[in-house]
Amino acid sequence: QVQVQESGPGLVKPSETLSLTCSVSGGPIRSTSYYWGWIRQPPGKGLEWIGSIYYSGSTYYHPSFQSRVTISLDTSRNQCSLKLTSVTAADTAVYYCASFDSAAFDVWGQGTVVTVSS
Amino acid sequence: DIVMTQSPFSLPVTPGEPASISCKSSQSLLHSSGYNYLDWYLQKPGQSPQLLIYLGSIRASGVPDRFSGSGSGTNFTLKISRVEAEDVGLYYCMQALQTPYVTFGPGTRVDL
Repeated sequence: QVQVQESGPGLVKPSETLSLTCSVSGGPIRSTSYYWGWIRQPPGKGLEWIGSIYYSGSTYYHPSFQSRVTISLDTSRNQCSLKLTSVTAADTAVYYCASFDSAAFDVWGQGTVVTVSS
Repeated sequence: DIVMTQSPFSLPVTPGEPASISCKSSQSLLHSSGYNYLDWYLQKPGQSPQLLIYLGSIRASGVPDRFSGSGSGTNFTLKISRVEAEDVGLYYCMQALQTPYVTFGPGTRVDL
């Protein structure tokens, strides 16, 4: 059973870069069955897809984040990472990593809280 | 982009009674395979979302059979046959037809 866990700094200053890691256990991160997605949830709001990365390394981003986001895989560490540049208070949210298996996000991490504040 | 809407916004429920949530998409989610690429997730208080239903009507592993999904095209329904206290939380539908460009509905809050 694949498990994922997000980690990263809980506090980021405005205009700086948010960097998060998703550690995967129970299976190789590079698998033909999966792609990995990052989803966020601002306080009191709904779920928002940020972007995804396939086993091939191909990345796809929500247009709202296209200019600021980078998602990558580190197969040696079985990790997926998210970088979001030039953050503002609007980027304050719980960030989730999840695996997508053919039709749905079937495994989610517990989420990591990121606050953007000086 | 496919826009997802849900109703109601909030749903008070009574244990033992049925409940249903509606989800509508701005475009048909029916794939040429015959499956509707529509998922349902439940986010219990203080937890991360969990998959309930995928491909419109298939229960995910471990999901109780009191949960059922139905619908096709642009109109979908999640039904709980007999609500239990543990079913409270936020319910989201998500279109996966344009994967990886998925979109979530705004959510429905279910409370006792």
